[in-house]
Amino acid sequence: EAGVAQSPRYKIIEKRQSVAFWCNPISGHATLYWYQQILGQGPKLLIQFQNNGVVDDSQLPKDRFSAERLKGVDSTLKIQPAKLEDSAVYLCASSPPVGGLTEAFFGQGTRLTVV
Amino acid sequence: QKEVEQNSGPLSVPEGAIASLNCTYSDRGSQSFFWYRQYSGKSPELIMFIYSNGDKEDGRFTAQLNKASQYVSLLIRDSQPSDSATYLCAAQGGKLIFGQGTELSVKP
Repeated sequence: EAGVAQSPRYKIIEKRQSVAFWCNPISGHATLYWYQQILGQGPKLLIQFQNNGVVDDSQLPKDRFSAERLKGVDSTLKIQPAKLEDSAVYLCASSPPVGGLTEAFFGQGTRLTVV
Repeated sequence: QKEVEQNSGPLSVPEGAIASLNCTYSDRGSQSFFWYRQYSGKSPELIMFIYSNGDKEDGRFTAQLNKASQYVSLLIRDSQPSDSATYLCAAQGGKLIFGQGTELSVKP
């Protein structure tokens, strides 16, 4: 079974530039998560999708971050404009439909450096 | 108050000892609880999950859940140097929330 795919693995941008991350979840997984993990901290939930709908985006800085999940499968996370404090690893995870084991499987992450 | 809070680290134990990791959560609606292990530079990987009050054992790992106290713990018996990592506690109600992690170091 293929895992959660993320791209790119690394990205370096200047502040005020824009950047986009892509995530392809495990086939059949209804729930998709985007987390931001700053060095030395735990993953912070940015947005959680259930199929096409948003379950929670209370911690998403909506003035600069946006996310969408196309047709309930792939997802993109965009930052525009980036700030220095956005430097972090962005983790995408997916889990099976509610009712079964809801373990979240993580992708390898995208390490973003804003200079 | 943080939604999921873990005991501060780093925690250092000698090889062969028991490591005890603790976690509290604030949302009483949380139903599922997970322990993930994260090696430096890697993504989190699941090591244990627990849904019901009491203990759940899997090899050297035992997860404990007390919903009345809103408390989850992970015990690692016969700790090995390869167990050295950051351990993340997560709680799931409608959303999946992680704690800040506890760094464990097992000294040979």
